[in-house]
Amino acid sequence: GAGVSQTPSNKVTEKGKYVELRCDPISGHTALYWYRQSLGQGPEFLIYFQGTGAADDSGLPNDRFFAVRPEGSVSTLKIQRTERGDSAVYLCASSPALLHNEQFFGPGTRLTVL
Amino acid sequence: AQSVAQPEDQVNVAEGNPLTVKCTYSVSGNPYLFWYVQYPNRGLQFLLKYITGDNLVKGSYGFEAEFNKSQTSFHLKKPSALVSDSALYFCAVREQTGANNLFFGTGTRLTVIP
Repeated sequence: GAGVSQTPSNKVTEKGKYVELRCDPISGHTALYWYRQSLGQGPEFLIYFQGTGAADDSGLPNDRFFAVRPEGSVSTLKIQRTERGDSAVYLCASSPALLHNEQFFGPGTRLTVL
Repeated sequence: AQSVAQPEDQVNVAEGNPLTVKCTYSVSGNPYLFWYVQYPNRGLQFLLKYITGDNLVKGSYGFEAEFNKSQTSFHLKKPSALVSDSALYFCAVREQTGANNLFFGTGTRLTVIP
């Protein structure tokens, strides 16, 4: 079946601009996660959705970052007033509801802020 | 607080030899443990997980890992390495009763030499 998809695969923007990154999870997966992976590092948690609601947004670095999942499926990560330090690969993952289930990751969106 | 340590940035092994990629973890409760592999320009792929029960866990592509509670370790192993195993490997942990997100190590680059 189809895996997690993310669009765009690459995004180049200028400092101060607004960007949106999209994630399409595996159909039927109620849990959705956003992570950020910087060069040479492991993925770092940003936000977790269970259904439509953000169950845990403790990983968002500041209020420039926001994410939504209005219908409990597709999610959008929104970054306002981008900074060069936001440059990274943004990963989305989904899983069934049970906590011990593995997360299935998308290919990521590489964001470059000039 | 949860954390994962992968003490080796790079592991080199000759094709056909056994390989080990090390991982130690820290959680306040009981862990769920995962290994993921990342190939260039591709998303993280799930290899195996420890939930409960048998300490030796078998996963995809002939990989296995052993959970050692006293040493808080979850080392990844394979009896005979293939050149195609060359990739970036990440260990991850979550608490069984804690936050839903995964905590990742910084990754170990495995190179299998023909």
